[in-house]
Amino acid sequence: GAGVSQSPRYKVAKRGQDVALRCDPISGHVSLFWYQQALGQGPEFLTYFQNEAQLDKSGLPSDRFFAERPEGSVSTLKIQRTQQEDSAVYLCASSPGTGGAGYTFGSGTRLTVV
Amino acid sequence: GQNIDQPTEMTATEGAIVQINCTYQTSGFNGLFWYQQHAGEAPTFLSYNVLDGLEEKGRFSSFLSRSKGYSYLLLKELQMKDSASYLCAVRERSQGNLIFGKGTKLSVKP
Repeated sequence: GAGVSQSPRYKVAKRGQDVALRCDPISGHVSLFWYQQALGQGPEFLTYFQNEAQLDKSGLPSDRFFAERPEGSVSTLKIQRTQQEDSAVYLCASSPGTGGAGYTFGSGTRLTVV
Repeated sequence: GQNIDQPTEMTATEGAIVQINCTYQTSGFNGLFWYQQHAGEAPTFLSYNVLDGLEEKGRFSSFLSRSKGYSYLLLKELQMKDSASYLCAVRERSQGNLIFGKGTKLSVKP
């Protein structure tokens, strides 16, 4: 597609529920990043894929967070047993992976845990 | 450690010029980025500096001094639509992730 697509746009989960957030990167983009953005804050890095390989997951806040990109294209961020502190916007970005300036962000999924 | 600082909020008048500063302390440096983010929307790319100096793009310019760990974004001829958050971000290594500051919320008033 022309841009990075994320779904769902909004998600309300009850505390303890599992959620799955999807990211469709720009076709051909090698690198894919997930970020978490709390209200009024900058995006915080969660994890990074190069093709299907997860090269960095140092930003994942706990073992309840899991991300995958099995075929090197679409990625899913899964959060198990959601807690109120997980409420945030989850942003996905992709880039060609050539080291330039071409990071493109999706509009994000706003997760609210009640 | 990593630290990126920028002012939390700024206010400016339509038609004026505003400068948003960013200072950074990171383990490595492979580029500084500025993004604009309207509420509820995706961050959109504004500028990228990897060498010292000024990069100009229309009404927007960005400056970098690597020795001082300092950048600024200059917005000229402000328009109401420029009201948004402006995010400063540093990439520590080639092809790596971006480390963001907390963002500067700019309000443009008539």
